[in-house]
Amino acid sequence: GDSVTQMEGPVTLSEEAFLTINCTYTATGYPSLFWYVQYPGEGLQLLLKATKADDKGSNKGFEATYRKETTSFHLEKGSVQVSDSAVYFCALSGNSGGSNYKLTFGKGTLLTVNP
Amino acid sequence: EAGVAQSPRYKIIEKRQSVAFWCNPISGHATLYWYQQILGQGPKLLIQFQNNGVVDDSQLPKDRFSAERLKGVDSTLKIQPAKLEDSAVYLCASSLRHEGTGYTFGSGTRLTVV
Repeated sequence: GDSVTQMEGPVTLSEEAFLTINCTYTATGYPSLFWYVQYPGEGLQLLLKATKADDKGSNKGFEATYRKETTSFHLEKGSVQVSDSAVYFCALSGNSGGSNYKLTFGKGTLLTVNP
Repeated sequence: EAGVAQSPRYKIIEKRQSVAFWCNPISGHATLYWYQQILGQGPKLLIQFQNNGVVDDSQLPKDRFSAERLKGVDSTLKIQPAKLEDSAVYLCASSLRHEGTGYTFGSGTRLTVV
């Protein structure tokens, strides 16, 4: 079945540092890929998405490129802020093998940004 | 557009008691999902509805969990009897079409079983 593996946390960075959170996936067919963010005490929010190979999703300075050849969707940001401190989830959605477009999530990566 | 509404926000119960959660999806969204998010883990799908029919309930512990979506609008998830390991955040999400890109999540219900 579908699965998502993302970088184990926690990740601690200083403000203005470069961020990469690795995400790889296993799925048949051509899934859509997502990054969700969960701020402390809040619900899941869509950060960005990509629906086909080589698409780049971007939002709030974050970017991720759908790489089918490496089955990856790594999250990057050039300069993080304290307000980016949150848990980040990589996820996929597909319709092959009976997946029925359900979202399959990774375990999440806790990011803490210090001033 | 109003978001996905869930209630209650928090619930504390003793083991072996029963509990119910309610979800009202975005108006017009045909697909509704219930996810369980245990602390430190990613959300896991419990059940998926398309209108008022069940599409996927393969991960739902049917001996104690049940869910319904009458009239294809709001939905209720019930646990009876609860176990300690059911402590988690229960998230409801909806999407307009059954096509895998436009999900909106509610704020969730945090359940603590003591």
